Amino acid sequence: NAGVMQNPRHLVRRRGQEARLRCSPMKGHSHVYWYRQLPEEGLKFMVYLQKENIIDESGMPKERFSAEFPKEGPSILRIQQVVRGDSAAYFCASSHTRTATDTQYFGPGTRLTVL
Amino acid sequence: QKEVEQDPGPLSVPEGAIVSLNCTYSNSAFQYFMWYRQYSRKGPELLMYTYSSGNKEDGRFTAQVDKSSKYISLFIRDSQPSDSATYLCAMSANAGKSTFGDGTTLTVKP
Repeated sequence: NAGVMQNPRHLVRRRGQEARLRCSPMKGHSHVYWYRQLPEEGLKFMVYLQKENIIDESGMPKERFSAEFPKEGPSILRIQQVVRGDSAAYFCASSHTRTATDTQYFGPGTRLTVL
Repeated sequence: QKEVEQDPGPLSVPEGAIVSLNCTYSNSAFQYFMWYRQYSRKGPELLMYTYSSGNKEDGRFTAQVDKSSKYISLFIRDSQPSDSATYLCAMSANAGKSTFGDGTTLTVKP
């Protein structure tokens, strides 16, 4: 029973390029959450998605960032025209249901470095 | 001001010591309180989950929540070198996003 999978694990981009981060939730999970972790800081919520729907994007920067979770395939976090300040670890988590008592399981993260 | 403040550490203790990790928060709407353990360059792993005020024990770990003081704690008894990690508190008002503290790095020395 595979856990949450994220790829790539490490991603290097030059300023101005696009970054695409992928998250495959645990089997049977239809809720996905994206968090960003800057060095020496905790995780900051970005977006919560259910299949084909964005439920809460209150933590997403207004520009350059977008997320989707299509009916088929992984959830994608897309960062356009990356800047050095986007360098961070990006984690996704998944849960089975929407209830607050449902555990969020985290993936290993994608470490983005912007040169 | 951050919604969740966590004792920054780092914390270094000898093997066998009792460890106390603490967080305070300002949002009265938080009802669900979690503690995660994160090893270096890994994803967070859920350790303890508590709803509302009270205590919860699981093996060597005890989580305490005091909603009246907006204060939560995680106690680790008989600490082991394998407990060395960063511990993150997290809180949620309802389904969806969790708000995390910045983490406390713990080192347990043999």
